[in-house]
Amino acid sequence: EVQLLESGGGLVQPGGSLRLSCAASGFTFNNYAMSWVRRAPGKGLEWVSAISGNAASTYYTDSVKGRFTISRDNSKNTLYLQMNSLRAEDTATYFCTKEVRVAANWGQGTLVTVSS
Amino acid sequence: DVVMTQSPLSLPVTLGQPASFSCSSSQSLVHSDGNTYLSWFQQRPGQSPRRLIYKVSNRDSGVPDRFSGSGSGTDFTLKISRVEAEDVGVYYCMQGTHWPLTFGGGTKVEIK
Repeated sequence: EVQLLESGGGLVQPGGSLRLSCAASGFTFNNYAMSWVRRAPGKGLEWVSAISGNAASTYYTDSVKGRFTISRDNSKNTLYLQMNSLRAEDTATYFCTKEVRVAANWGQGTLVTVSS
Repeated sequence: DVVMTQSPLSLPVTLGQPASFSCSSSQSLVHSDGNTYLSWFQQRPGQSPRRLIYKVSNRDSGVPDRFSGSGSGTDFTLKISRVEAEDVGVYYCMQGTHWPLTFGGGTKVEIK
């Protein structure tokens, strides 16, 4: 059974940093591209970033380019999202998903709150 | 960016009756590999999103057969043949053909 378990969320001040993690199990992790998707309070889903299975290619939505970095450690079956220069508008629940183009599986999410 | 437009925004439904959701894209979603990467997701209150349909019309394992997807090019539809109480939530379409990937704004389903 595919399992995705996000962690690392919390309360951070504007301009601060957080690193999210997504521990994956139940499938051959390095065979799949992975994504981060977020949902801000009262809003819809927004794709944030993706990374290929071998980490050679990364993709970002414009609003996070230069501030967020996606990475993965295939030896640990773990996906990461390093978030710097956080803004109030980054407040959201962040989900990791398996299989970028079709988002086959989702984790339970981790809440990031950016506030002073 | 490809804009995904869903309608209606809200859909009050009667138990046992059919429901239909529309999703249109600002560009064709046919990928150069021949696939059309249009998926539908259900997010129940307090839960993570769950994929229902991928590549337009392929239903996920465990998804009741009352859910069906159809469409092509830029216009897509999700149908529920007979709404049940557990179907309450927000339904999103997502295109995975063009970067950046984009979601529709969602359709909220509630029981009348």
